[in-house]
Amino acid sequence: AQSVTQLGSHVSVSEGALVLLRCNYSSSVPPYLFWYVQYPNQGLQLLLKYTSAATLVKGINGFEAEFKKSETSFHLTKPSAHMSDAAEYFCAVSENFNKFYFGSGTKLNVKP
Amino acid sequence: DVKVTQSSRYLVKRTGEKVFLECVQDMDHENMFWYRQDPGLGLRLIYFSYDVKMKEKGDIPEGYSVSREKKERFSLILESASTNQTSMYLCASSSRESEQFFGPGTRLTVL
Repeated sequence: AQSVTQLGSHVSVSEGALVLLRCNYSSSVPPYLFWYVQYPNQGLQLLLKYTSAATLVKGINGFEAEFKKSETSFHLTKPSAHMSDAAEYFCAVSENFNKFYFGSGTKLNVKP
Repeated sequence: DVKVTQSSRYLVKRTGEKVFLECVQDMDHENMFWYRQDPGLGLRLIYFSYDVKMKEKGDIPEGYSVSREKKERFSLILESASTNQTSMYLCASSSRESEQFFGPGTRLTVL
């Protein structure tokens, strides 16, 4: 069975600080992994995805994530937070693109 | 620009009403999905469809039904709306080898 755990429902960082959002997954086969961002009252927008190519994946808006099979993790990072990064972030896993399983989300607050 | 559109952004209905939420995608995707999103619970899959006239139950199908008569359109039906169905409803589509693309969501309030 597939599942996703996002550690920390709320994360607060100062503008310019490192952003680290954690995601751990379980999957019985090599997974496809995704990070989505959701701004208030909008749908989800893809930030980046891992589909078994390079383990370090670069996405939009300066975000990147590293697939670590031994740790079953896919943490999202950004070296320097910007006010516009304040949003909710969701990690998702899929084994076959037919069903996707989402974490419960992490709300990122960026302090000036 | 690829798009998933949902018929309403905000909807207010009364308990017992039949509610239709419509979703249309213009990417010729095979798969379409309906989720509900509640604070602290993330996205929970209600139903999905991998082809026209095909549907499968997700994790929380009770109280909902769906219809997919055309490839581009996937409808979610609340047969008799209840207050515990007040939520944000998100539609998504994907091809057989792609990530999901989401619509803007419908915020449904059942009074």
